[in-house]
Amino acid sequence: DTEVTQTPKHLVMGMTNKKSLKCEQHMGHRAMYWYKQKAKKPPELMFVYSYEKLSINESVPSRFSPECPNSSLLNLHLHALQPEDSALYLCASSQDSRPGANVLTFGAGSRLTVL
Amino acid sequence: AQSVTQPDIHITVSEGASLELRCNYSYGATPYLFWYVQSPGQGLQLLLKYFSGDTLVQGIKGFEAEFKRSQSSFNLRKPSVHWSDAAEYFCAVVDGSARQLTFGSGTQLTVLP
Repeated sequence: DTEVTQTPKHLVMGMTNKKSLKCEQHMGHRAMYWYKQKAKKPPELMFVYSYEKLSINESVPSRFSPECPNSSLLNLHLHALQPEDSALYLCASSQDSRPGANVLTFGAGSRLTVL
Repeated sequence: AQSVTQPDIHITVSEGASLELRCNYSYGATPYLFWYVQSPGQGLQLLLKYFSGDTLVQGIKGFEAEFKRSQSSFNLRKPSVHWSDAAEYFCAVVDGSARQLTFGSGTQLTVLP
């Protein structure tokens, strides 16, 4: 299995809702990532988990809360989002986070719309 | 800090024509270099990577890229473009200190029939 699976593919939520994005990989990778991508822009790193511990938080607002329950799963909990948070959210994984071992495999993304 | 420049925002080529997408990086030592492709509404797919060794690297879908240290470049090439190659292409770099990918701004490729 060489895939990163993201659910849901599309999500529409109001600013007062609480929702979660899910990501799963079964490649034995020990680093997992969340990226945010706005239209016509490159992906922007949000969080990195290495061996199930949060290793990088790129100054992301607290309304985004990541969780790594185990080495195969990565969640992104969403609460009180703003319309400007509407974007494609990409999950990725790599063997680990060391340079040379961090060749990322991306999921297809979750398209989030905040009303 | 590392940076990646893709000078061409949009390139249009005819099907069957050759293609070259430009990428320049700014970094003191030899970085790890990547090209990714993204179809509309999809995730990113790795085309090829360069870590060390032979400066001409072969990738998937008939793509190749050449690392030129003297020019700080890592240009992507394909001898004959297919309509299915129409997509957004991102060059990316990892340096040893930053440890994370820095993406270029992307080049949108349009293929004419």
